[in-house]
Amino acid sequence: GNSVTQMEGPVTLSEEAFLTINCTYTATGYPSLFWYVQYPGEGLQLLLKATKADDKGSNKGFEATYRKETTSFHLEKGSVQVSDSAVYFCALSKAGNNRKLIWGLGTSLAVNP
Amino acid sequence: DTAVSQTPKYLVTQMGNDKSIKCEQNLGHDTMYWYKQDSKKFLKIMFSYNNKELIINETVPNRFSPKSPDKAHLNLHINSLELGDSAVYFCASSYPISGANVLTFGAGSRLTVL
Repeated sequence: GNSVTQMEGPVTLSEEAFLTINCTYTATGYPSLFWYVQYPGEGLQLLLKATKADDKGSNKGFEATYRKETTSFHLEKGSVQVSDSAVYFCALSKAGNNRKLIWGLGTSLAVNP
Repeated sequence: DTAVSQTPKYLVTQMGNDKSIKCEQNLGHDTMYWYKQDSKKFLKIMFSYNNKELIINETVPNRFSPKSPDKAHLNLHINSLELGDSAVYFCASSYPISGANVLTFGAGSRLTVL
């Protein structure tokens, strides 16, 4: 079946450090891939997405590239800020699957000043 | 303007009680969802409605009953609350972009069962 695997957290970084959060997936065909972010006390919000192989999603300095050959969608940011402290969720969806998203377990990021 | 709004934001109640959470979206989306998030941040889909029709009904105790009076509203009623029901419940709505479903979440309703 379809699944998403994220690196376990928590991840703790100093401000301006480079961030990578790994995400790999298992799915038949060509799923769409997403990163959602959940700031403390809030609901999730879409950070970026990619709908086909080699697409790069980007937003707020974050990037992720849809790599079909490695079934990965790793999240990266060149220089994190304290305000990036949040939980990050990788997810996939497939057309016709009742619009159901398959979620990773989430990775907590804490950025220290 | 709040896109997906849930009420109440906090709910503290005793075991055995019945409670409801309401959700409304003003985005014109045709699909709405209820998710449960536990203390470890694990997200579990519970229900989904498309144009008032139930399309996803995961393995959820039948003490949980969703109701969608119209496509802008999705409410969740819980009977005979148990300690294990304590969690944050998120409502969401979605629309397709290039065939991919993009979800907009509410701020969550934190339920504590004592």
